[in-house]
Formats: sequence, structure tokens, C-alpha cells
Amino acid sequence: GESVGLHLPTLSVQEGDNSIINCAYSNSASDYFIWYKQESGKGPQFIIDIRSNMDKRQGQRVTVLLNKTVKHLSLQIAATQPGDSAVYFCAENGNTGFQKLVFGTGTRLLVSP
Amino acid sequence: EAGVAQSPRYKIIEKRQSVAFWCNPISGHATLYWYQQILGQGPKLLIQFQNNGVVDDSQLPKDRFSAERLKGVDSTLKIQPAKLEDSAVYLCASSKETATVTGELFFGEGSRLTVL
Repeated sequence: GESVGLHLPTLSVQEGDNSIINCAYSNSASDYFIWYKQESGKGPQFIIDIRSNMDKRQGQRVTVLLNKTVKHLSLQIAATQPGDSAVYFCAENGNTGFQKLVFGTGTRLLVSP
Repeated sequence: EAGVAQSPRYKIIEKRQSVAFWCNPISGHATLYWYQQILGQGPKLLIQFQNNGVVDDSQLPKDRFSAERLKGVDSTLKIQPAKLEDSAVYLCASSKETATVTGELFFGEGSRLTVL
């Protein structure tokens, strides 16, 4: 069945460092991936997405890398700030035709000042 | 632009009781989703509506869960009777796309259910 997993449940970094959050996915048919950020007591918030015909996409302070060969996705956050502290989820669509996202279990990012 | 609205934010009930959650999506968004998020896990899709029709309810425990989206706008999710394992945050999300594999989902803040 479909599964999306994360390598590290918790990542602790210092303010100003770069953060890398990793995600492995199992459904090779997935052609769309999204990263979401979830702060305590709130719903997930979209960060960045990437289609399977790309291997890299950049946003503001964030970069998503996709390696389809090993079915791996990563989120890089530059100059991490305390406000980046949250749980980060990757999600894949499983190429279902409709927008049906399968979420991973999440990685908690802790940023120390 | 107003976000996805959900109520109530918190609900505590005893097992075998019933509960209902309400969601108002972003205006103009055709697709509405209900997700269940158990503590420490990622959201799991329960049901997806496109306008007022169900497009996926394969993971909805239909013996106790029901959902409707009358008139293709607001939606309600009901649990009857509740079990201890239903304790979770119920997230509603909406998106403007219809039959597409891409697009951002906008989530509400969720309704936290505790079943005692």
C-alpha cells in the first residue's frame, strides 16, 4: 500500500543554521509532492510543492529536492528562524487522478535562539 | 480572503455518544476534504467531496462516521457512536481545483475531539 515516511522524528538546529528535513515515499506512481508546516494547535500550512518532472524547486528560503530514483524528498530551509519551529509533513498524491494526498508522520523542527 | 472555518474547536464526549463537526470552506473552492489526525501522526483522509458529490470515502469508517456537503458549500462530519480511538483532531481542507492532481489544500485549524 501507499506509505510516506520520514527519517527523523525530531530535528534540532540553531537559529541561522540551514535545516534539511528528509522524506521517503513508496509509491513510484506519485507525480506530485507537497511540504506542509504545522504549528501547534493549527492546521497544516502549504510551504512548497514539486512535480515529478522536476528535481528541484526553490521558494523563499526553502528548497525542495526530489530524487525519483531512490524515492526521496527533502526540504531545505535556509537561515532557520525560531518561527520555523513546527512539525513538517511531506505528502504525495499517488497519481490518483484526483487530489488525494497521503501524508507522512512528520518531523518536528526545533530552532534554538 | 477568509480561511477555512471549523467548529467546534474542542469537544469532549463519552464513548458511545455522538458528535458533529462543521466546516465552511473558502468561498469558491469546489473540493472539500475531511482528514483525521491522531496525535503524533500525519493527517489521514476520511472523505473528499467535489461540489456536493463524494469522490473518495474509501477510508471513512461508514459504520459510525458520516459526512455530507449539502449545496456544495458547508459540510458536516458526524460520528455516532464514538469510540475511544476516535480521539483526534478533525481537519477540514478545501481547494479550488476540481479534477486535477495538483493544487494547494487550505486547512482549517481543526476540531479536537477527546472521547472518554
